[in-house]
Amino acid sequence: EEQLVESGGGLVKLGGSLRLSCAGSGFIFSNAWMSWVRQAPGKGLEWVGRIKSKPDGGTTDYAAPVKGRFTISRDDSKATVFLQMNSLKTEDTAVYYCATGIGFDNWGPGTLVTVSS
Amino acid sequence: EIVLTQSPATLSLSPGERATLSCRASRSVNSYLAWYQHKPGQAPRLLIYDASNRATGIPARFSGSGSGTDFTLTISSLEPEDFAIYYCQQRSDWPPMYTFGQGTKLEIK
Repeated sequence: EEQLVESGGGLVKLGGSLRLSCAGSGFIFSNAWMSWVRQAPGKGLEWVGRIKSKPDGGTTDYAAPVKGRFTISRDDSKATVFLQMNSLKTEDTAVYYCATGIGFDNWGPGTLVTVSS
Repeated sequence: EIVLTQSPATLSLSPGERATLSCRASRSVNSYLAWYQHKPGQAPRLLIYDASNRATGIPARFSGSGSGTDFTLTISSLEPEDFAIYYCQQRSDWPPMYTFGQGTKLEIK
């Protein structure tokens, strides 16, 4: 069974940094495209960015609100994808989910990030 | 950037009734349209991909249709566990990005 588990969320001050992790199991992680999606309190889902599998180039793409501040990377030996978040803003407060696939076939339970002013 | 508009914002129905949810794109997304179900405190769940294909394990009462700019998610006979928020989503190859609609809340009448 495919499983994803996010970690690393918490409370961080305005302008600070945080790194989220997402560990995968039950599938061939190295072949998977991995995305991050977030949901701010009371809002809908918002795509954050994705990283392709290394066989497909391993490139990253980001949504405009996070481009230049967030970086996605992966460690296939640990079946883990990371989201490095810098220069955090209050509007980055959200539950962050990782998801697999070109379409988002499977999702983790999410981790809450709160940016305080 | 393609904008997805879902309607209605809220749909109030009873178990056993048929639900029809709409998603309209600001320009053609071909068939790169997916539907997700999201319940509070849970991970979203993929229901439909490429407009009309049910994801693994999704009951047959869920169906998707449409192409171009107009898409529909139909739940043929509502079960109690179907009351949730539903999002449509499109993906574009250039620029590479994904967009979600604002969601339709399906609530018990």
